[in-house]
Amino acid sequence: EADIYQTPRYLVIGTGKKITLECSQTMGHDKMYWYQQDPGMELHLIHYSYGVNSTEKGDLSSESTVSRIRTEHFPLTLESARPSHTSQYLCASSGNRDSHSPLHFGNGTRLTVT
Amino acid sequence: KNQVEQSPQSLIILEGKNCTLQCNYTVSPFSNLRWYKQDTGRGPVSLTIMTFSENTKSNGRYTATLDADTKQSSLHITASQLSDSASYICVVSDRGSTLGRLYFGRGTQLTVWP
Repeated sequence: EADIYQTPRYLVIGTGKKITLECSQTMGHDKMYWYQQDPGMELHLIHYSYGVNSTEKGDLSSESTVSRIRTEHFPLTLESARPSHTSQYLCASSGNRDSHSPLHFGNGTRLTVT
Repeated sequence: KNQVEQSPQSLIILEGKNCTLQCNYTVSPFSNLRWYKQDTGRGPVSLTIMTFSENTKSNGRYTATLDADTKQSSLHITASQLSDSASYICVVSDRGSTLGRLYFGRGTQLTVWP
């Protein structure tokens, strides 16, 4: 099992609330990612980071933001949650070797916005 | 357009039987192909990674094959167990950047019945 942790596992919040999804890894990986996954659909990349103070938007348009102040920590923030944000959010990291390094995923946060 | 297509979408087999899952891709240029297993409510876990020069790779009862000419891969599961019930996701990486962009399939949902 990879050492990457996400909290909370489940979250139900009302529309308009600000939330932060936490992700931490203890493997010293420089590369970290946030994916969104809906049932029966492929994973979509919403943010990624090559290292401290490096963040980029992914393929999926998202109203979320991320920060990377420490190597091990890559939180995702939604300033104003909407029902369309209801989804599963997966955090991942990969080794520093090359593009053949596998992704190590956390167990996800299932977000429901009412 | 770079795509990854998996078949079948879902599959039910009896415990102890073998099965084969398919993955066809149009990603170019090609860097590597990965198979992940995702248990319900968990993050995906890497099973195999194959580069252009590899056409077979095994991980216990899982054997992946790759035909880079026809752009097809298969994942063969031998002597299935109840714990094999999961979604199996095919992921292809291109060589467009140091990061290697990842293209995800929608997965095959495998159910193993006793």
